[in-house]
Amino acid sequence: SAVISQKPSRDICQRGTSLTIQCQVDSQVTMMFWYRQQPGQSLTLIATANQGSEATYESGFVIDKFPISRPNLTFSTLTVSNMSPEDSSIYLCSVDGALPSGNTIYFGEGSWLTVV
Amino acid sequence: AQKVTQAQTEISVVEKEDVTLDCVYETRDTTYYLFWYKQPPSGELVFLIRRNSFDEQNEISGRYSWNFQKSTSSFNFTITASQVVDSAVYFCALRAASGTYKYIFGTGTRLKVLA
Repeated sequence: SAVISQKPSRDICQRGTSLTIQCQVDSQVTMMFWYRQQPGQSLTLIATANQGSEATYESGFVIDKFPISRPNLTFSTLTVSNMSPEDSSIYLCSVDGALPSGNTIYFGEGSWLTVV
Repeated sequence: AQKVTQAQTEISVVEKEDVTLDCVYETRDTTYYLFWYKQPPSGELVFLIRRNSFDEQNEISGRYSWNFQKSTSSFNFTITASQVVDSAVYFCALRAASGTYKYIFGTGTRLKVLA
């Protein structure tokens, strides 16, 4: 499976600020995703990060709030903009496994954000 | 519509007991994948198993075993002789085999193994 590194692992952010989370994969992967996990909840897909084009957002998530970049097949960023306490969550980068392990998603360690 | 239900919110067992985590799914797809992930307190989701819908053989990996029954749309996970290190939240997930890369996760079952 691919090794997925996320930065930062944890942060405490002030209301109204923005934070960018980085996701680096040790091998080229086709699909990269960003999930949110609110405290005590399940995972919710924010968007699919598309290489070289705009991300595909799920219902309830918009580009202005969660801009995503994916400049190549190994790297992506998620920005959480104009944060409020409701954005306090774990944000998880995931990839659909590179060959030969396709059709399985693997996750980074997660970025724990607390908005105060 | 696709849906994954994990009816057990939290389970507590004493070390060395066996425990089964239930997962029931709904899908109209004829081919699909089912998954289990473990999320320890550190927060990272760890992949445990993937099952293809056309393969109903049960699987055993050490103390872990999985029972896939298409007739009841269930994909249950059993831990034999549980250990404290098994304490975590366990998620079941579903994905269609084609057409979409969207994974549907259940709400998770928190397992507490007491020493």
